[in-house]
Amino acid sequence: EAGVVQSPRYKIIEKKQPVAFWCNPISGHNTLYWYRQNLGQGPELLIRYENEEAVDDSQLPKDRFSAERLKGVDSTLKIQPAELGDSAVYLCASSLKTIYEQFFGPGTRLTVL
Amino acid sequence: GESVGLHLPTLSVQEGDNSIINCAYSNSASDYFIWYKQESGKGPQFIIDIRSNMDKRQGQRVTVLLNKTVKHLSLQIAATQPGDSAVYFCAENAGNMLTFGGGTRLMVKP
Repeated sequence: EAGVVQSPRYKIIEKKQPVAFWCNPISGHNTLYWYRQNLGQGPELLIRYENEEAVDDSQLPKDRFSAERLKGVDSTLKIQPAELGDSAVYLCASSLKTIYEQFFGPGTRLTVL
Repeated sequence: GESVGLHLPTLSVQEGDNSIINCAYSNSASDYFIWYKQESGKGPQFIIDIRSNMDKRQGQRVTVLLNKTVKHLSLQIAATQPGDSAVYFCAENAGNMLTFGGGTRLMVKP
């Protein structure tokens, strides 16, 4: 069975540019999470989806970050415009039910210059 | 792949020895705890979990101990192998939100 798929794996952009990350969760997993992981730290939740509904986006900086999961399957996380401090690894995870064992993708490493 | 972190607490052990990684959690309302392993260039991988009504749980070569009195969690790895080299994170769940602690880098010397 395929795991959580993320693309791209690496992205380098200049500040003020837009960027988007894509995630395809494990088939049948209703819950999808986006995390940000800064160097040397644990992942921090940005947003959690139950099917197509965002049920927890309290940590998402809504002035520049947006996310969608239109059909309740794959999801896109967007940053516009990117800032230097957005450099991090963006991880997507999915689980069968909320909080039950989460399966993480490999992440997208974003570098903002 | 890129490293997860450059300035993490590091535990260095000899191959075949037992490893103990510690974690202090912050929320006394947390009811579920998980240990994750993260190798360079990969996402965190589930190792073992424990609910707050337990104080010990064993898996294959791993044991998690929970001390709610002092809000402390530990991961014990028996007969540590080179493949165990990674960064280890504990995570606590409260109110359906998982909060990760800072990681510990485990280095296994052959």
